[in-house]
Amino acid sequence: EVQLVESGGGLVQPGGSLRLSCAASGFTFSSYWMTWVRQAPGKGLEWVANINVDGNVNYSVDSVKGRFTISRDNAKNSLDLQMNSLRGEDTAVYYCARHYSNGLLDYWGQGTLVTVSS
Amino acid sequence: DIVMTQSPDSLTVSLGERATINCKSSQSILYSSNNKNYLAWYQQKPGQPPKLLISWASTRESGVPDRFSGSGSGTDFTLTISSLQTEDVAVYYCQQYYTTLHTFGQGTKLEIK
Repeated sequence: EVQLVESGGGLVQPGGSLRLSCAASGFTFSSYWMTWVRQAPGKGLEWVANINVDGNVNYSVDSVKGRFTISRDNAKNSLDLQMNSLRGEDTAVYYCARHYSNGLLDYWGQGTLVTVSS
Repeated sequence: DIVMTQSPDSLTVSLGERATINCKSSQSILYSSNNKNYLAWYQQKPGQPPKLLISWASTRESGVPDRFSGSGSGTDFTLTISSLQTEDVAVYYCQQYYTTLHTFGQGTKLEIK
C-alpha cells in the first residue's frame, strides 16, 4: 500500500525556517517524481514544487523561488522541503504527492500544517 | 504561467441531478504531437487530501464511479457528475500539467440543494 507521511510542520516566526519531510513507502520511491502542494486555511490548492527521480532537476512556483528548496534521499525514501525566510502567506497545510505520467498526482499524504506568525 | 479559471465558484444541485463544472486555461494545453490534453480533475472532501478523479481531460481513474466524466479540449474543459450523490459533496479542482509549473484552478464547491 502506498503511503506518504509528512512531518515537520509547526509554528514559526516570520523570517524563520522550517524543514518538512515526507516519508514514502509501498512503492519504488526512486522511480517517481515527487511534488509538494500547499493549501492555505480555507483556500484552494497551490502547486509549490516538484523534483525528478534523481533529485537533480526541480521546478518551483515563483512565490517560493530562492526561499524554498526541494530535495530527496532515495536511499531513505524521503522527500524534503527546506523553507527559509518564511512569510505569513506561507501559512498552509503542505502535502507531498507522488507524481506520475507528466504531472498527475495519484497519491497524497495527509498533510502537515505550517503556521507563520509572531 | 498558465492560469486556470473555474466556474462557478460554488454550485448547489439536487440529489440525482446533473452537476457541471467548467475550467478554462489561459492558453491551450493540448499537446499536438500526441493529441492529449494535459488536464486533470481532483476531488477534495473536508479534512482529506485531494483525490485524482480524471486525467488527460477525460480518462477516469480506476475506481472512480462512471457518473463522473470529463470533456473538452484546448482551453475549455468540463467535469460532469451525471446524477449527484451525497458522497459527491466536495470541492473540485482542475489542474494543468502541460508546463513545468502545474497550476490548479481556484476550486468549485459543490453542495446539495
